[in-house]
Order: sequence, then C-alpha cells, then structure tokens
Amino acid sequence: EDQVTQSPEALRLQEGESSSLNCSYTVSGLRGLFWYRQDPGKGPEFLFTLYSAGEEKEKERLKATLTKKESFLHITAPKPEDSATYLCAVRDSWGKLQFGAGTQVVVTP
Amino acid sequence: DTEVTQTPKHLVMGMTNKKSLKCEQHMGHRAMYWYKQKAKKPPELMFVYSYEKLSINESVPSRFSPECPNSSLLNLHLHALQPEDSALYLCASSQGMEEGTQYFGPGTRLTVL
Repeated sequence: EDQVTQSPEALRLQEGESSSLNCSYTVSGLRGLFWYRQDPGKGPEFLFTLYSAGEEKEKERLKATLTKKESFLHITAPKPEDSATYLCAVRDSWGKLQFGAGTQVVVTP
Repeated sequence: DTEVTQTPKHLVMGMTNKKSLKCEQHMGHRAMYWYKQKAKKPPELMFVYSYEKLSINESVPSRFSPECPNSSLLNLHLHALQPEDSALYLCASSQGMEEGTQYFGPGTRLTVL
C-alpha cells in the first residue's frame, strides 16, 4: 500500500537557522513527488515536482531533493515569511495524490 | 498562469439549504478535482473528473453532488449537509490524471450550522 510519512510534525526555527524536512514514501512505481506550501485557511501552493532519484530543484531559500525512498526539503536561512505547513505528496498508480500529514514550520525573528 | 479560482470564499449554510461551490481554470487542464480539508489534516480527495467525465468518487455521501459543465468549470452541489461537513473545500486541476502538477485554488470555507 502506498504510504507517505513526513517528519518532523512541527519545526520551530530562528530566522537564519537552516534546517531540513523529510518525506519518506513507499509507492509502486513513482509517478512524481510533489511539495506544496500551505498557509492557514488557504489552498496549497505548488513548490516542486520531482520524478527521479538524484533530481534536485531550487527556488529562493528552498531546495528539494529526491532519493529512491525519501525526499528532503531544505530551508536555507529562513525568514518569518517561510512560516507555513509544508505538504509532501506522491502520485499513485491511479493518478491520485497521497499526502503526508505535513510539517508545520514556524520561523521566529 | 497557474490560477484556479473558487467561489464563494466563505459559505454558511443550514442543514436544509441547497448551495453550490464553483471552480474555474483556464490552463487547458483536462483533469479537475474536489478535495475536503479539515483543520490540521492534509487534503482528502472526494472526486476526480477527467475529460469532463467522473472518473473517481471516493465513496462520498450523496449529499455532495459534483458536476463538470465544461472543461473549464467544476461545481459541487451541496444539499442536506451535516455540521461535520464543515471544512475547507479545495478545487484543483492538472494536465491529466496521470500527468502534470495539480494546482489548487484558494478554497471555500464552509460552515454548516
């Protein structure tokens, strides 16, 4: 059965303190791993799509990497505006997204 | 442009009311989705339309009735809802069910009294 697990559940960072979020998955035939950012009461905002092990993508202070079993979202020198819940999802064989529970990140000045 | 729009932003309804949620995209996407999201939980898939046909219904109660009038529009008709149906309802679209990225709309915050 396809499964997505995110850790940690919550992360509190000082401004400028870099860290990484983990997304481990089990899926028969990866058809894409997706990272989203979600602010309270709003829809998820697309960040990255990764398709194959070794792939990396970067956007401002965020960098996503992918291995055969997990993905990392690295946040470099975060700012308070990076505070959000970060969701990881994999596309299963039916084309549906299986979401992890999310990591809530709070960045304090 | 990767915009999905949803109306209304907020909706309060009684258990005997009938209301509809609307979603629109102009990216030429052929797959459209309805999700339900409760507080501090990830989005939960409800329905998928592919090429304007209902492809997936995740055993959603019949008080939720989806409709896809054309390739750009998706509606969710609500009738006789329960208080536990209060949630953020999200629409999303992608190039196809098995391809492309799903882009989400801002959501409709639904409260059932």
